[in-house]
Amino acid sequence: DAKTTQPTSMDCAEGRAANLPCNHSTISGNEYVYWYRQIHSQGPQYIIHGLKNNETNEMASLIITEDRKSSTLILPHATLRDTAVYYCIVRVLDSSYKLIFGSGTRLLVRP
Amino acid sequence: DTEVTQTPKHLVMGMTNKKSLKCEQHMGHRAMYWYKQKAKKPPELMFVYSYEKLSINESVPSRFSPECPNSSLLNLHLHALQPEDSALYLCASSQVQYTGTPGGYTFGSGTRLTVV
Repeated sequence: DAKTTQPTSMDCAEGRAANLPCNHSTISGNEYVYWYRQIHSQGPQYIIHGLKNNETNEMASLIITEDRKSSTLILPHATLRDTAVYYCIVRVLDSSYKLIFGSGTRLLVRP
Repeated sequence: DTEVTQTPKHLVMGMTNKKSLKCEQHMGHRAMYWYKQKAKKPPELMFVYSYEKLSINESVPSRFSPECPNSSLLNLHLHALQPEDSALYLCASSQVQYTGTPGGYTFGSGTRLTVV
């Protein structure tokens, strides 16, 4: 699976959009981009995933560049409860089932 | 039911003890996982079960012994652990990926294990 690069930490103001970048320059054509987050002392929580097209759900939006070498997770109106570590993961959907976490971005939402 | 339930939430054990961690899901997921997470580090994959059979062991020491007695249950048996094995142990489940439905993983809240 391709390696991802994320900033170590970020912060944003409550009520503003949080834009979390992820670089995955070696991504293959059959690898999906997944985003998870982990709030302190809880298990990781699935947020969103995509292959080529931009995706949106009730939690966030995922913007994938046309060359697929990077993506951005957008939390449109961040709240204090969005303070967490956000993991960007790329993986092939095959029988290996592996979901391998990188270092992630620690997002702090300020009041 | 959309949850993965892990018990116990906290466990303290001595180095000569034998204990077990339990994980349960009722979402019909046929892939289940154990992860280990040290403080301020990302989760590390330990084991993967697919259709109740062990498919991946990430070179985990034999003092950790997984078991999947049925499609809803996953256990992790612990024996002769070391203090450095103290960590948060996370269980997860997912649909079988290669059926073409790229679903996400559902994680439990974990068992915080302390080895003394």
